[in-house]
Amino acid sequence: GAVVSQHPSWVICKSGTSVKIECRSLDFQATTMFWYRQFPKQSLMLMATSNEGSKATYEQGVEKDKFLINHASLTLSTLTVTSAHPEDSSFYICSAMGQGATGELFFGEGSRLTVL
Amino acid sequence: AQRVTQPEKLLSVFKGAPVELKCNYSYSGSPELFWYVQYSRQRLQLLLRHISRESIKGFTADLNKGETSFHLKKPFAQEEDSAMYYCALEDSSYKLIFGSGTRLLVRP
Repeated sequence: GAVVSQHPSWVICKSGTSVKIECRSLDFQATTMFWYRQFPKQSLMLMATSNEGSKATYEQGVEKDKFLINHASLTLSTLTVTSAHPEDSSFYICSAMGQGATGELFFGEGSRLTVL
Repeated sequence: AQRVTQPEKLLSVFKGAPVELKCNYSYSGSPELFWYVQYSRQRLQLLLRHISRESIKGFTADLNKGETSFHLKKPFAQEEDSAMYYCALEDSSYKLIFGSGTRLLVRP
């Protein structure tokens, strides 16, 4: 199946700094990627839909100025957590929609962010 | 409101026993439902989708619109089935709404 890779797998940063997480579709082009956030022992919550060449669509309650999403190419979407605070510590997962009629979603391995 | 409910956080069974992971949904339109699985230290991956009506790794799930359920079943659980299972509903914008997940533990 198609592969989606996230980088970094984990990152620790100081409060107030910004962190960028990359999501790449390695062997297919993805016009649409999704970013999720998962709190411990809770479900994945959709944060935003990232469309190549256009602005991301954010879910209600997600601050777009806080979580900057850039989908500059058909194989790369980035999530930048700006001015990170401890409450932003979480597991961030991206998924990319495969090509073809099924539109299957392929998930990255996730990125764990810890803000000190 | 769109919602997916998985009432069990943990389901523990013995090897060879039947398994049923419950999923109920709330959706105003015609739902498209999925089961995703996450094995230990691996990424989330699609297990099955209701529209294809297929059986993957011995698992099946039937959409019951009357009961708004999409329970995942397997007649004989195997140890390698131990994983985290997420039920998900796809809305008209291709967004997935996930349930909170059920951890399946199959004991030898």
